[in-house]
Amino acid sequence: NAGVTQTPKFQVLKTGQSMTLQCAQDMNHEYMSWYRQDPGMGLRLIHYSVGAGITDQGEVPNGYNVSRSTTEDFPLRLLSAAPSQTSVYFCASSGGPLGEQYFGPGTRLTVT
Amino acid sequence: SQQGEEDPQALSIQEGENATMNCSYKTSINNLQWYRQNSGRGLVHLILIRSNEREKHSGRLRVTLDTSKKSSSLLITASRAADTASYFCATDAKRESGGSNYKLTFGKGTLLTVNP
Repeated sequence: NAGVTQTPKFQVLKTGQSMTLQCAQDMNHEYMSWYRQDPGMGLRLIHYSVGAGITDQGEVPNGYNVSRSTTEDFPLRLLSAAPSQTSVYFCASSGGPLGEQYFGPGTRLTVT
Repeated sequence: SQQGEEDPQALSIQEGENATMNCSYKTSINNLQWYRQNSGRGLVHLILIRSNEREKHSGRLRVTLDTSKKSSSLLITASRAADTASYFCATDAKRESGGSNYKLTFGKGTLLTVNP
């Protein structure tokens, strides 16, 4: 199993550009989530999904959209990138929302 | 807002010593988890303790949970240089109905440095 994969590993955007961060898992997990990690802030939940077709907002959802059309994939869309979205983004999955979370390797995003 | 907060923010010890990190949280929980993050990597799950458990062991790790004080501690015994990493606690919030809010909230972490 590849586990949780994220692409790209690094990305530089200009302010106002849009892009999609990809996340996929091959463990048939129902629960998937996106976090951002900033220095001194720990991880903050952006959006999460408890199954295909079901998504909900986390702590810092503004400026981000998600969809869950399949169990395997949970893409995160930045609608109009801002410098405040410069961060490292982690995707995670688990068999249940309260269980062991499996994290991807992260995407380092810089918005100039 | 952060549900869990780790203490201390940073800890530096010698190889072979024990390391203790603490986590405090604000609301009732269903379970509490500890994760490790090596520099530049994703988080790795270490241990999960349920709200009705008081202590749990896994190898050199010992986790305690005191729901009356809303706190948990992670003890790493006989530390090694390879234990150098950031350690995070994560909690969900229990709803009044007894279910979960399904949002796992992480603290800011403790940076542990184990010197050879």
